[in-house]
Amino acid sequence: KAGVTQTPRYLIKTRGQQVTLSCSPISGHRSVSWYQQTPGQGLQFLFEYFSETQRNKGNFPGRFSGRQFSNSRSEMNVSTLELGDSALYLCASSLGEWGTEAFFGQGTRLTVV
Amino acid sequence: AQTVTQSQPEMSVQEAETVTLSCTYDTSESDYYLFWYKQPPSRQMILVIRQEAYKQQNATENRFSVNFQKAAKSFSLKISDSQLGDAAMYFCAYRINAGGTSYGKLTFGQGTILTVHP
Repeated sequence: KAGVTQTPRYLIKTRGQQVTLSCSPISGHRSVSWYQQTPGQGLQFLFEYFSETQRNKGNFPGRFSGRQFSNSRSEMNVSTLELGDSALYLCASSLGEWGTEAFFGQGTRLTVV
Repeated sequence: AQTVTQSQPEMSVQEAETVTLSCTYDTSESDYYLFWYKQPPSRQMILVIRQEAYKQQNATENRFSVNFQKAAKSFSLKISDSQLGDAAMYFCAYRINAGGTSYGKLTFGQGTILTVHP
């Protein structure tokens, strides 16, 4: 069974640009969550989607958005990139509405220059 | 707000020895889950062990076991017979077993870097 797949693995963007990251969950998993990991702030929750609906959102500015498709694949978008958005972005999937265990992808390393 | 604290930024252990990583958390909830995740240099977060708060029995997965003290809000991870492949960053995480603002949200500690010496 394939794990959580995140693409691309690495990205370099210029300040002011926008970026879209993709996450394909484990087959059968319907919940997808996104996290930002930085050395200073650690792991912070961005948002969670279930059946194409955002159910929860962390404390991030509106420049961070996401969506989930009918096949449970999810994308997150960051507009007007800032240097501080440089981070490892991790996606996790869970089985079902009350999935207790989150399985993570390898992340996308975003560098903003 | 729920918080998770890992007071040991770094730990080291000799191969085949035992090491314990500490974690404390703060919550007013009674129904929740606690996890230990391992993040090796490959960056992928791997679930090591899970504990349900309503279970008094400590979880065990092969060489990994936890000491869950609910009243003290403590959740330590013991790694027995340490192996070189155990070297990684270890994160303690917490999740409420409810909906609303807890959907899909794991709260993580700052992590402990574990070094295993041959």
